[in-house]
Amino acid sequence: DQQVKQNSPSLSVQEGRISILNCDYTNSMFDYFLWYKKYPAEGPTFLISISSIKDKNEDGRFTVFLNKSAKHLSLHIVPSQPGDSAVYFCAASEDQAGTALIFGKGTTLSVSS
Amino acid sequence: KAGVTQTPRYLIKTRGQQVTLSCSPISGHRSVSWYQQTPGQGLQFLFEYFSETQRNKGNFPGRFSGRQFSNSRSEMNVSTLELGDSALYLCASSTILDSPLHFGNGTRLTVT
Repeated sequence: DQQVKQNSPSLSVQEGRISILNCDYTNSMFDYFLWYKKYPAEGPTFLISISSIKDKNEDGRFTVFLNKSAKHLSLHIVPSQPGDSAVYFCAASEDQAGTALIFGKGTTLSVSS
Repeated sequence: KAGVTQTPRYLIKTRGQQVTLSCSPISGHRSVSWYQQTPGQGLQFLFEYFSETQRNKGNFPGRFSGRQFSNSRSEMNVSTLELGDSALYLCASSTILDSPLHFGNGTRLTVT
């Protein structure tokens, strides 16, 4: 049973537009949520995180929104750049230490110029 | 600052053998976690070590084990390899208890 789901395997966006990646979760005990980006042949790279006590966190072009009642979070990238093309993973943890992360299966983002 | 280093990058083993993978965390990081990535199951948590103690363990059989040394370096071992153990094994480290994980580039294990 998947506790973290990324229902869109892929997303294509034009350069300069907004990319919105979505993630749903089922475990109400999750307390900390993260987004990672992964290029081929490399390990995942941390992008941004959000605690369950917040509903929004921004870092430059990246914003994560959390809707606890809907058990849904999203990552907004504005503006999208070709270098953002990668696989994006949503992850969740039951503790603020962010250990024992539960990952979604990823969304492949393609940004065309 | 050097990142998380995993060795070797690639391994080919035969079913029934055992394998040991190594991970050197970022300097100053005391928590080390291991994850398995497969096309079917995605990224799955194996275990996490902090100050040489296993703090958390995922849902994997006992054939998967690990340890952490006093210098925070970690190893994971898989005994009696099965074809399904073919995967990318990722190590990640972090500093204090609420920092995000920093991943290495992984060890690609192929079991034939």
